[in-house]
Amino acid sequence: EDKVVQSPLSLVVHEGDTVTLNCSYEVTNFRSLLWYKQEKKAPTFLFMLTSSGIEKKSGRLSSILDKKELFSILNITATQTGDSAVYLCAVSSLVQGAQKLVFGQGTRLTINP
Amino acid sequence: GAVVSQHPSRVICKSGTSVKIECRSLDFQATTMFWYRQFPKQSLMLMATSNEGSKATYEQGVEKDKFLINHASLTLSTLTVTSAHPEDSSFYICSASTLAGGPTPYEQYFGPGTRLTVT
Repeated sequence: EDKVVQSPLSLVVHEGDTVTLNCSYEVTNFRSLLWYKQEKKAPTFLFMLTSSGIEKKSGRLSSILDKKELFSILNITATQTGDSAVYLCAVSSLVQGAQKLVFGQGTRLTINP
Repeated sequence: GAVVSQHPSRVICKSGTSVKIECRSLDFQATTMFWYRQFPKQSLMLMATSNEGSKATYEQGVEKDKFLINHASLTLSTLTVTSAHPEDSSFYICSASTLAGGPTPYEQYFGPGTRLTVT
């Protein structure tokens, strides 16, 4: 059974700190790994990773994938209160021609001023 | 591009009634639409996958007679929760993807979600 596990489940830090969120997975027919940010509504897309070792970066956020160790991390530097959200990791596989996403439990990140 | 809408955004219904939720891809043709459910403080769980013009494929543990899915066109899928009960109260999110062409083949684009409360 496909599985995605995120850690920690919850994290509280002070504004300005750097955080690292973890995602490990066991999936057949792996296609890509995706990170989403979820505030009060549906998830918003952050990154899609398909190749090992290539860092994706967007402002203060960055992410990297290790396909050998089946692992990804999401880094946020110089955190701000607006970064408070649930961060979801999902792994995509192709099943009978359709992309299927399996989500992790999410990491609830709280940034205190 | 790649905008997906859901309607309604929020609905309250009485126990025993049915509720229909619409999911539309506004600027692309969605060959596949997905329906997820998210309970408070939990992650998204895939309920079913639907391809235009064919029957939906339901995940294990999801009752197909209770959660009726119709994907009659390339831009519209509906989820009907039949005989709703309080335990069906949840956040329902759809996503849409396309096999070929724009915006990006195979990627899923999420709707804003529908919060269902059954009293």
